[in-house]
Amino acid sequence: AQKITQTQPGMFVQEKEAVTLDCTYDTSDPSYGLFWYKQPSSGEMIFLIYQGSYDQQNATEGRYSLNFQKARKSANLVISASQLGDSAMYFCAMREASHSGGYQKVTFGTGTKLQVIP
Amino acid sequence: SAVISQKPSRDICQRGTSLTIQCQVDSQVTMMFWYRQQPGQSLTLIATANQGSEATYESGFVIDKFPISRPNLTFSTLTVSNMSPEDSSIYLCSVLTGITYNEQFFGPGTRLTVL
Repeated sequence: AQKITQTQPGMFVQEKEAVTLDCTYDTSDPSYGLFWYKQPSSGEMIFLIYQGSYDQQNATEGRYSLNFQKARKSANLVISASQLGDSAMYFCAMREASHSGGYQKVTFGTGTKLQVIP
Repeated sequence: SAVISQKPSRDICQRGTSLTIQCQVDSQVTMMFWYRQQPGQSLTLIATANQGSEATYESGFVIDKFPISRPNLTFSTLTVSNMSPEDSSIYLCSVLTGITYNEQFFGPGTRLTVL
């Protein structure tokens, strides 16, 4: 079963508008973390934001905020005031303990391709 | 933070051969991962390579095909064995750091093409 689900293969947003990218997750580990990454066409992985399962407040980093709804197991990324340079693939990822224990692992969702329209 | 380098950056190989990818980190880290990213796809975790223990492979990946070494806290290798065109992909090394494991860094990737 997919542990990280991104249901939007592609999204369009008008420049200067806000956009929400969806991410839901499934884990039995009470201590986990959620990452969002941006991958432009150049291929590099750019860290955007992180939310720990015990964090009381939603994470924010500049124009990026994470709408963390723990009971619903969702961790949506909100990008405010979209810019043309925001056009890229966006991946949600989850850190959790492995089933065999002793270490952590990070798995990725399928990604959302965001295109910002001038 | 951690800066990761990978060698080679790209290679073109013949089917049936093997390629070893090196990953070097500029600081000591416990948790290191190897991912594969096929064209237009997401990152798929191959295995976790923790120093002092054998690598732990994800479903669909086996040690005979993807042997991993982790001799110390700054270095790891991934070998892609008996390659076929289906192994053509980008292979990424990554590390997880931070007191609460809240920082993940990636290498630039190795682009592999198998003919």
